[in-house]
Amino acid sequence: DAGVIQSPRHEVTEMGQEVTLRCKPISGHDYLFWYRQTMMRGLELLIYFNNNVPIDDSGMPEDRFSAKMPNASFSTLKIQPSEPRDSAVYFCASSFIGYYGYTFGSGTRLTVV
Amino acid sequence: DAKTTQPPSMDCAEGRAANLPCNHSTISGNEYVYWYRQIHSQGPQYIIHGLKNNETNEMASLIITEDRKSSTLILPHATLRDTAVYYCIVEGGGADGLTFGKGTHLIIQP
Repeated sequence: DAGVIQSPRHEVTEMGQEVTLRCKPISGHDYLFWYRQTMMRGLELLIYFNNNVPIDDSGMPEDRFSAKMPNASFSTLKIQPSEPRDSAVYFCASSFIGYYGYTFGSGTRLTVV
Repeated sequence: DAKTTQPPSMDCAEGRAANLPCNHSTISGNEYVYWYRQIHSQGPQYIIHGLKNNETNEMASLIITEDRKSSTLILPHATLRDTAVYYCIVEGGGADGLTFGKGTHLIIQP
């Protein structure tokens, strides 16, 4: 298994632009989580899905952030419009609830200038 | 309030056992203790979890006190590649998302 795959690995964009981050979870996993990591705030849970349905998006910082999971093998996190304070590393993780460990992807390092 | 308390940093000599403590005095009966680690520039990696019994796998051992108010993660023979931030997390099964604190930065010295 290739693990959780995130793309792109690095993204540099200008303030005001739309940014889309992508995640492919491990096949068979029924939970998908989006996290954000900054030096100031550490790892923060943004949103998670169960069987492609969003369960809790209370961690999404603003309406500029949205996430979708159209099928079991793909999820996106979109920021529109992006701002410099959105600069962070964004991680996607998946798990099978019968096994409590999460598998994280390598992350997307987002820089908004 | 944080559910866990960990020392911010620790050193350990290469080849020795690394013992990472975690206090979780408010843990409830249905909550598990999870350990993850994050090597620089990588995503967090699951290590081990337990409810009340001690657990061991190929990576580490987890010792939970009888009153469940604290635990210790043991890396039996630390290598330089074990240098990372180690997170102790207390949650009721992980289905609601895990909350990461600041963790312990473990530095393995050659």
